[in-house]
Amino acid sequence: GAGVSQSPSNKVTEKGKDVELRCDPISGHTALYWYRQRLGQGLEFLIYFQGNSAPDKSGLPSDRFSAERTGESVSTLTIQRTQQEDSAVYLCASSSKTSGGFWDTDTQYFGPGTRLTVL
Amino acid sequence: AQTVTQSQPEMSVQEAETVTLSCTYDTSESDYYLFWYKQPPSRQMILVIRQEAYKQQNATENRFSVNFQKAAKSFSLKISDSQLGDAAMYFCAYRRTLVVQTGANNLFFGTGTRLTVIP
Repeated sequence: GAGVSQSPSNKVTEKGKDVELRCDPISGHTALYWYRQRLGQGLEFLIYFQGNSAPDKSGLPSDRFSAERTGESVSTLTIQRTQQEDSAVYLCASSSKTSGGFWDTDTQYFGPGTRLTVL
Repeated sequence: AQTVTQSQPEMSVQEAETVTLSCTYDTSESDYYLFWYKQPPSRQMILVIRQEAYKQQNATENRFSVNFQKAAKSFSLKISDSQLGDAAMYFCAYRRTLVVQTGANNLFFGTGTRLTVIP
C-alpha cells in the first residue's frame, strides 16, 4: 500500500478483555514504532522494532502491553486485561531507518490510528 | 530526558493571514532533529516540516517555515497565507540522531496547539 494502515479504526471493549491492534507498515520500511495518544495529549512512545533486532520495549507502561512483529511486515499490539485508563488512540509509524552514514534520514510516517475505548 | 513544550493550547488566524506557533525543547545533546506534524480530525499525523540541528538555515516548505533558535532551544512554525485546510492540531517533536545511539529513535512530542482558521 501507499501508506501505513491500521486496523481496526475503532475498538470498543469491556474492562478486563484483551484486545489486539494491527499495523501494516509501508513496504520496505525496516523500523516500526507504536505510540499512544491520550485525549488532548501528545504522543507517547511505546515500543520500537528494527528489522530482526530485539525490540525496544522501554515505553510500554505495564506488562499488560506487548507487541510482536514478523520480520519487516505486520505488527500487532496486544493489551491484556484492559483498563479504562488504556482508552486512547494507538498510532503506528514506520520509517526506512538507514544504517551507516553520519546523518540519518529517518522520517516516520504515521497510520491513521486505532481509537480504543474501554468501558 | 528530552522534553518538548508547546505553551499555546489554542490559536486562531484569519484566512490568508500569517500565524506563528511556538515550541521550546530541552536537551543536552548538540545534534538532533526537530519536526512539526499536523493532525487533522482524521487522526493521521502528517509531517509538515523538519529541521536538522546542525543546519543554521531555517527550513521552509511552501507556506510553512520555521524559526530555529538553537541557543534558545526554540523552534517556532510560521504559516503564511493561512488556508481553511490548515485547521488542525499541530505537534512539535524532537528526535535524537542515529549516530552512536542505540535503541529507538522515537519522537518526543509536545502537547499540541489547536489551530482554527477563520473564514
